[in-house]
Amino acid sequence: GAVVSQHPSWVICKSGTSVKIECRSLDFQATTMFWYRQFPKQSLMLMATSNEGSKATYEQGVEKDKFLINHASLTLSTLTVTSAHPEDSSFYICSAYTGDPYEQYFGPGTRLTVT
Amino acid sequence: QKEVEQNSGPLSVPEGAIASLNCTYSDRGSQSFFWYRQYSGKSPELIMFIYSNGDKEDGRFTAQLNKASQYVSLLIRDSQPSDSATYLCAVNGLGSSASKIIFGSGTRLSIRP
Repeated sequence: GAVVSQHPSWVICKSGTSVKIECRSLDFQATTMFWYRQFPKQSLMLMATSNEGSKATYEQGVEKDKFLINHASLTLSTLTVTSAHPEDSSFYICSAYTGDPYEQYFGPGTRLTVT
Repeated sequence: QKEVEQNSGPLSVPEGAIASLNCTYSDRGSQSFFWYRQYSGKSPELIMFIYSNGDKEDGRFTAQLNKASQYVSLLIRDSQPSDSATYLCAVNGLGSSASKIIFGSGTRLSIRP
């Protein structure tokens, strides 16, 4: 089956610094990638939709200047959390979409802790 | 009204019994419906998708869809301790957002030996 990787799998950073998370589709090209955030004991909340070569579309309430998304190729999307704060500590998950409604593959997630 | 609603649980089921998980959705135009399983600290994994009214079976899992009632369910037969997880119901978005998946809050399932 299709594989999506995320790097790093976990990261600890200090408040005020920026962190970049990579999402890669390893064996297929993804027309669209999605970024989700999940707080403990809560469901996945869609943050943004990322299309290769165009600006990301952010969900209501998500600060686009704080969560920078770049989708440079059909296999790579990055999420940069700028000026991170403790409240940004969460589990960030990406998914890659092939174009088939039933084929959306999730990455293993990145756990971010901001101290 | 939330777009996808689930009972948060926890739902406790004895090993070997049938676990029944339910979900309702608000957008009548939704076309595709998904059940994901998520273990603690892991990302979701797709169990089944369904897009036609009726039942769809895959091994011990059966998804049921009733578009008139805007209701989708998941039955797990012969429940095993390894089935203990959070089950997320999800539906696709509409129109230009058809590729989006909108998740419910999840139901925690616990299989007791």
